[in-house]
Amino acid sequence: EVQLVESGGGLVQPGGSLRLSCAASEFTFRNYRMDWVRQAPGKGLEWVSYITSGDDNIIHYADSVEGRFTISRDNAKNLLYLQMNSLRDEDTAVYYCAREATRGYHYFDSWGQGALVTVSS
Amino acid sequence: EIVLTQSPATLSLSPGEGATLSCRASQSVSSYLAWYQQKPGQAPRLLIYDASNRATDIPARFSGSGSGTDFTLTISSLEPEDFAVYYCQQRANWPLTFGGGTKVEIK
Repeated sequence: EVQLVESGGGLVQPGGSLRLSCAASEFTFRNYRMDWVRQAPGKGLEWVSYITSGDDNIIHYADSVEGRFTISRDNAKNLLYLQMNSLRDEDTAVYYCAREATRGYHYFDSWGQGALVTVSS
Repeated sequence: EIVLTQSPATLSLSPGEGATLSCRASQSVSSYLAWYQQKPGQAPRLLIYDASNRATDIPARFSGSGSGTDFTLTISSLEPEDFAVYYCQQRANWPLTFGGGTKVEIK
């Protein structure tokens, strides 16, 4: 069974930084496009960032995080990352690592359990 | 950015009844629309992709239809485990966007 396990969440002050990791297992990680999706407490889903599979490193960001967040991956270690800088109160959310489906690119067929990021002074 | 508007916000129904959920896009997304189910404390689950294709292991009581700007998720007969929040999502244009969700609650 596909497994995605996020880590690195926690409490951080406004303006601070945090790095999330997502450990992938039970599938060939390097072959899959990956994303981060977040959900503020009691709110809906918001797509955050995308990274392509392979080595061509095509990346997209939501406008709300562009210039502050950086997505990356280590295919040798089966890890996906999200470096979050200049954090704001409105970045408080559960952050999900999500695998894209092969039958439909940019849909998410597997999700992690989520990592809670709380930005507060 | 393509805005997805879901209606109604809440649907109060009894087990065994049918449910019809709507998702309207601010511009055409062709058939590039998915539906997800989310239960409290859980990650979302992909139900439907490309408007009408059921994802792996999704029961036949879930069906999707529509194209362009208007889409529908239909649950033919609600089971107790179907009471949840449902989101639509488009992949036609960056940024990827989700609708605000429809909560299907027990009447």
